[in-house]
Amino acid sequence: DQQVKQNSPSLSVQEGRISILNCDYTNSMFDYFLWYKKYPAEGPTFLISISSIKDKNEDGRFTVFLNKSAKHLSLHIVPSQPGDSAVYFCAALSGAGSYQLTFGKGTKLSVIP
Amino acid sequence: GAGVSQSPSNKVTEKGKDVELRCDPISGHTALYWYRQSLGQGLEFLIYFQGNSAPDKSGLPSDRFSAERTGGSVSTLTIQRTQQEDSAVYLCASRWTSGGTDTQYFGPGTRLTVL
Repeated sequence: DQQVKQNSPSLSVQEGRISILNCDYTNSMFDYFLWYKKYPAEGPTFLISISSIKDKNEDGRFTVFLNKSAKHLSLHIVPSQPGDSAVYFCAALSGAGSYQLTFGKGTKLSVIP
Repeated sequence: GAGVSQSPSNKVTEKGKDVELRCDPISGHTALYWYRQSLGQGLEFLIYFQGNSAPDKSGLPSDRFSAERTGGSVSTLTIQRTQQEDSAVYLCASRWTSGGTDTQYFGPGTRLTVL
């Protein structure tokens, strides 16, 4: 049973527009969420994170929103750039001191120039 | 080095052979993970090392898989008697925790193909 779900395997967005990547989770014990970005032939790189005590975290063009009641988070990229084209993974941690990330299957974002 | 490194980058082997995959974590990071990513799947946790504590091996899919970490630094993941279903990208990550931020830094991975 998948505890972290990214239901859209792919997404295409025009350059300059907003990209919204969604992630749902089922485990109510998750309290820290991360987004990773992965280019082909490279390992994932950390992008942005959010603690469950917050509902928004912003870093430049990237904003993550968390809706705990809906067990849903989303990553917004504004404005989208061609270099943002990659696979984006949502991941979650549960509990203080936990260390085992649970990943979604990823969403492939294509930003069209 | 500046980041996590892994070797080899690609490994093609025949079914039944043993393989060893190597990970050099970021210097100073005491926590190290192995994950694998099969085609069309997310990252699957395999094993976790933290300092001198006993490793968490709960993610290893079978007893053909083992890992060790020598001197609290370099780690080797060994797969014995490889099967075709072992084909995947094996990723290593080391972990940094500071000021409430918990970040794992990934290596580029080793793509294993079992023929």
